[in-house]
Amino acid sequence: ILNVEQSPQSLHVQEGDSTNFTCSFPSSNFYALHWYRWETAKSPEALFVMTLNGDEKKKGRISATLNTKEGYSYLYIKGSQPEDSATYLCAPVTSGSRLTFGEGTQLTVNP
Amino acid sequence: GAGVSQSPSNKVTEKGKDVELRCDPISGHTALYWYRQRLGQGLEFLIYFQGNSAPDKSGLPSDRFSAERTGESVSTLTIQRTQQEDSAVYLCASSLGLSTTTDTQYFGPGTRLTVL
Repeated sequence: ILNVEQSPQSLHVQEGDSTNFTCSFPSSNFYALHWYRWETAKSPEALFVMTLNGDEKKKGRISATLNTKEGYSYLYIKGSQPEDSATYLCAPVTSGSRLTFGEGTQLTVNP
Repeated sequence: GAGVSQSPSNKVTEKGKDVELRCDPISGHTALYWYRQRLGQGLEFLIYFQGNSAPDKSGLPSDRFSAERTGESVSTLTIQRTQQEDSAVYLCASSLGLSTTTDTQYFGPGTRLTVL
């Protein structure tokens, strides 16, 4: 069983704040890392697929970095808005086609 | 185009009954995945299909769980003799292919199963 850790477990920020959270995973046999956003009562939505060490991806105010040698990825949100409130999930892939999801970071952005 | 759809959206059943959950993937997607999330836990992989075959069934929690896919389209997840610990949100996802480095998995809205 792949050990995937996300921190913090939950986070409350004020509108306009920038924030970041961490996904840690074993660095051996790394294939890819997926980030998803899951809003309440909706389907998980894919944000990024990252494969290369040092990769940085950006989508609007959200960006992510990847360090495969030390086994972590950071997700950043710049100028948080209430609509960013969701659970953010990471899922590394170390073999086959199986994504192993972390338990997520639950973000609440207060207006 | 239409996304991944699942039915029913909610299912309440009594312990010991069988239930069948349905997933309609995005048209043309050859890969299909089932996951579940129990209360307070992360998303747990159950099974995936490449076409109509399931190369990896190791995530199914017990022999009460089975899944099939027909016509490289619809998939059903069947849980026999349901137990209270089967209560969870069951999510289906599909992707164009099986590459985890290039193929994004698109998720359906899930079926919330409650076993009384």
